[in-house]
Amino acid sequence: EVRLVESGGGLVKPGGSLRLSCAASGFTLGSYNMNWVRQAPGKGLEWVSSITISIGSPYTYYADSVKGRFTISRDDASGSLHLQMDNLRAGDTAIYYCARSIAVRPLPLDYWGQGTLVTVSS
Amino acid sequence: DIQMTQSPSTLSASVGDRVIITCRASQTISNYLAWYQQKPGKAPDLLIYDASRLESGVPSRFSGSESGTEFTLTISSLQPDDFATYYCQQYNSYPYTFGQGTKLDIK
Repeated sequence: EVRLVESGGGLVKPGGSLRLSCAASGFTLGSYNMNWVRQAPGKGLEWVSSITISIGSPYTYYADSVKGRFTISRDDASGSLHLQMDNLRAGDTAIYYCARSIAVRPLPLDYWGQGTLVTVSS
Repeated sequence: DIQMTQSPSTLSASVGDRVIITCRASQTISNYLAWYQQKPGKAPDLLIYDASRLESGVPSRFSGSESGTEFTLTISSLQPDDFATYYCQQYNSYPYTFGQGTKLDIK
């Protein structure tokens, strides 16, 4: 069974940092591009970041709203995806989902975790 | 960046109704368009990808189509379980972008 389980969310002050993790199981992580998508309370979905499969060095992509503050990384050996979030702002408050997309060609996000809540507030 | 304009933002319908949700891309995305269903407190579920391919396990009352940069999601006969929020998403290029969402509620 495919499982994606996020962790690491919580309450943090503006300017603070958090590191989110996503534990993947039930599939070969190394065959999938991985993604973070967030959803602010009562709002729509916003893509945050993606990391390609690790042939050589993986490529990473970021939304303009988080570029320079967030860093995505993966550890295929341990089956995990991470999102290092620095210099957090109130506007980063959201549920953060990890999701996979197979790397064969452009394909959508076919499995999502249940999300972890990040609250940025003083 | 590619903008995805989804309409309507809310839709009231009854069980058995046929409903159509539309998504327009600001530039060509080939057929790299997905539709997701999200229920309150849950993660989104993939319904359709490549504009018209039904994800495994999704009921056949859901269908998708494309005409140029305009994409539609059709639910042929609404069931009680279908009342949710629907999002389109382009995965043609980064940054991936979602439509604003369509909340489908009971009339």
